[in-house]
Amino acid sequence: DTGVSQDPRHKITKRGQNVTFRCDPISEHNRLYWYRQTLGQGPEFLTYFQNEAQLEKSRLLSDRFSAERPKGSFSTLEIQRTEQGDSAMYLCASSSIGRVGETQYFGPGTRLLVL
Amino acid sequence: AQSVSQHNHHVILSEAASLELGCNYSYGGTVNLFWYVQYPGQHLQLLLKYFSGDPLVKGIKGFEAEFIKSKFSFNLRKPSVQWSDTAEYFCAVISYGSSNTGKLIFGQGTTLQVKP
Repeated sequence: DTGVSQDPRHKITKRGQNVTFRCDPISEHNRLYWYRQTLGQGPEFLTYFQNEAQLEKSRLLSDRFSAERPKGSFSTLEIQRTEQGDSAMYLCASSSIGRVGETQYFGPGTRLLVL
Repeated sequence: AQSVSQHNHHVILSEAASLELGCNYSYGGTVNLFWYVQYPGQHLQLLLKYFSGDPLVKGIKGFEAEFIKSKFSFNLRKPSVQWSDTAEYFCAVISYGSSNTGKLIFGQGTTLQVKP
């Protein structure tokens, strides 16, 4: 079990640029989640996939955000025309549904700073 | 809207003191409850979870939590804290309504500082 990995770990960009983050879930997990965490707050749900299907998106996810999970394995989160308000930690989590419930395991996150 | 409230934002304790962190949630249906911990410089790790059954659940490193359905609470406890427990603690809930989305709703977090 290698855990959830995310790349890059840090990203500094200028306002207006596009950025893309990658998440590699735990291999046997069929669910993948994206969250955003700002300073002093708990993580907030952005979107989730079951296999390759994106099943729910939060209202936090504006049109500038898009996420994919093309083969049901890794996922990418793209932010177009970044704004300073996008600065945050972007977390990825994966899970599989057990007999009783679901436990999500988190990656280290990608910290985005928009200048 | 569903929400999770953590009562204490910053707690300072001396080693060997007892710890209780409060967590209340707003949803009245079926819930799964979690406590996650984030040690300095590390990622979120699962501390313990409640799905069903015995409302007193035990987690790693001597932590436990009690689910009290009537109070919509899931408080975290540890009888004797150590300096290494210094971290940020998050309570989180999955509420299963009409959809089967397992999205976690997190509280704001509690920063615990343990003085040696």
